[in-house]
Amino acid sequence: DQQVKQNSPSLSVQEGRISILNCDYTNSMFDYFLWYKKYPAEGPTFLISISSIKDKNEDGRFTVFLNKSAKHLSLHIVPSQPGDSAVYFCAARTLSGTYKYIFGTGTRLKVLA
Amino acid sequence: DAGVIQSPRHEVTEMGQEVTLRCKPISGHNSLFWYRQTMMRGLELLIYFNNNVPIDDSGMPEDRFSAKMPNASFSTLKIQPSEPRDSAVYFCASSLRTGGLETQYFGPGTRLLVL
Repeated sequence: DQQVKQNSPSLSVQEGRISILNCDYTNSMFDYFLWYKKYPAEGPTFLISISSIKDKNEDGRFTVFLNKSAKHLSLHIVPSQPGDSAVYFCAARTLSGTYKYIFGTGTRLKVLA
Repeated sequence: DAGVIQSPRHEVTEMGQEVTLRCKPISGHNSLFWYRQTMMRGLELLIYFNNNVPIDDSGMPEDRFSAKMPNASFSTLKIQPSEPRDSAVYFCASSLRTGGLETQYFGPGTRLLVL
């Protein structure tokens, strides 16, 4: 039962263009969402987060959008750079209860120079 | 700050052998997580500890897996006996849980291959 889904295993984007990575979830109790970035042979590193009281959070070139009614979030990278090439994981957590993060399967982004 | 330290970085073993993965969390962090990454299932939470106490081990695949946290600076994940399907990258992560929102910091992972 995959509660957090990243349906696109890979994405290629030209340098300078926008990258849009998508994530869907099924549990309406999730109200904190994160994006992690992972380079080969390294652990995931935190990128950006959003709580359910917001529908948008921006940090430099990275923006996360949350659509609670659709149970959908997306990560926008503008402009995309070759150094952004990595695997991106979205994760969701409840703010109460057993306190655990549920991760998606990841999307491999390749930014072409 | 050295970050989360995991050892070994790579492990190759034969089916049936015992495997022990080690983790040193970031000093001062009070929560520790063990994850397994596979192509099919992504990052799966196996178990997490808060203040050295196991809180949720519902992700542990079966009795062959066990985890301990004897003190705030050390944790182990043991597989006994190991099987080829256990081949994956195992990550340890730690965080400082204060009741609000917090971020997990991941180690570099242990790549396990069971032949």
